[in-house]
Amino acid sequence: ETGVTQSPTHLIKTRGQQVTLRCSSQSGHNTVSWYQQALGQGPQFIFQYYREEENGRGNFPPRFSGLQFPNYSSELNVNALELDDSALYLCASSLDRAGGQLAKNIQYFGAGTRLSVL
Amino acid sequence: SQKIEQNSEALNIQEGKTATLTCNYTNYSPAYLQWYRQDPGRGPVFLLLIRENEKEKRKERLKVTFDTTLKQSLFHITASQPADSATYLCAGGVIWGAGTKLIIKP
Repeated sequence: ETGVTQSPTHLIKTRGQQVTLRCSSQSGHNTVSWYQQALGQGPQFIFQYYREEENGRGNFPPRFSGLQFPNYSSELNVNALELDDSALYLCASSLDRAGGQLAKNIQYFGAGTRLSVL
Repeated sequence: SQKIEQNSEALNIQEGKTATLTCNYTNYSPAYLQWYRQDPGRGPVFLLLIRENEKEKRKERLKVTFDTTLKQSLFHITASQPADSATYLCAGGVIWGAGTKLIIKP
């Protein structure tokens, strides 16, 4: 067990709706990254938060947004859901001692949230 | 665009043999590469990290190499066991490969 928990585990939404996914980081970690993983594909980087600030973003539209809270837990929000948003959404926490370096450190993943958009 | 490519075909290995997985990167030079293991319905689990100035790294039955000339990393599992069956992912920074499914047959 990594100590990273994600909720909910499964979610079904319809096209055009909005969704919020939650992630509780491993104790002592200050960085959280979110990934989208389609079936049979590798994780695609969405964005990373370091000490409550976004410090890197992948090739995802602005309708994907996030937050990191003072306790380093995090949310991923997706507006105007599209069918292609159906995927496993993974949260990973890490400890960055050097100050906001993008995805350099060992990442500890949660089990993910399986989102289905109908 | 920056890419990491892994063999998309499943790799079938007899128990006890060495499994070797390949990771090739293009259009960038990652300072380090990480290897993760992913089981069905679970998140990736970290295995090894190797820096560009390291030729080889070992951990128990695992070995990883980094060849900056070939732009390639190799991941080896020696004395493979059925419990090693999983998908193995290679990542360089925020770029991830699609993974290679490894099947160890008894």
